[in-house]
Amino acid sequence: DTEVTQTPKHLVMGMTNKKSLKCEQHMGHRAMYWYKQKAKKPPELMFVYSYEKLSINESVPSRFSPECPNSSLLNLHLHALQPEDSALYLCASSPGTANTGELFFGEGSRLTVL
Amino acid sequence: QKEVEQNSGPLSVPEGAIASLNCTYSDRGSQSFFWYRQYSGKSPELIMSIYSNGDKEDGRFTAQLNKASQYVSLLIRDSQPSDSATYLCAVRPGGGNKLTFGTGTQLKVEL
Repeated sequence: DTEVTQTPKHLVMGMTNKKSLKCEQHMGHRAMYWYKQKAKKPPELMFVYSYEKLSINESVPSRFSPECPNSSLLNLHLHALQPEDSALYLCASSPGTANTGELFFGEGSRLTVL
Repeated sequence: QKEVEQNSGPLSVPEGAIASLNCTYSDRGSQSFFWYRQYSGKSPELIMSIYSNGDKEDGRFTAQLNKASQYVSLLIRDSQPSDSATYLCAVRPGGGNKLTFGTGTQLKVEL
């Protein structure tokens, strides 16, 4: 069982909808990440939070808006998405700072944009 | 040149054989190296990390690092059908905090 929990597991939304993906970890990790993964491709980094502060934004379009309410929670707010944004969205956490490669991934939220 | 390169496969090995997965990287200053396993439709799972030259063993898995050749490999002994998955090599470049993933090698262990 993963210790990083993501909800929902599946999401279908229209291009005009507003939705959110949620992620929670209770391992005391201080860095949390959002990745996007397309079929047969490696995960692509979107955002990194370190000690609840945004430390990396990989030039992600503003229709994706991250939020870290506290050290255990990470949200990704979605608005006016495009069909090409359909993908598996992975949340991950790591102990200590974001300066590590030992990531613990959640099961992912599979997003379909119609 | 890609930062982290892997042969996409599929690499097919018979059950009980040794599977050898290879990865090369371009940043000579890279410090940390990781192998993730990803089953189809699932999320990646960290299986090995290696930080210094040489071999690191964990059960049936051995990671090998050669910084001079900019090469990292993963050996899986006594391969089982349950090892069939995509194996992602990941590298943390020197001076950076962004992990770079290779495209992954698909491993198929056949009965």
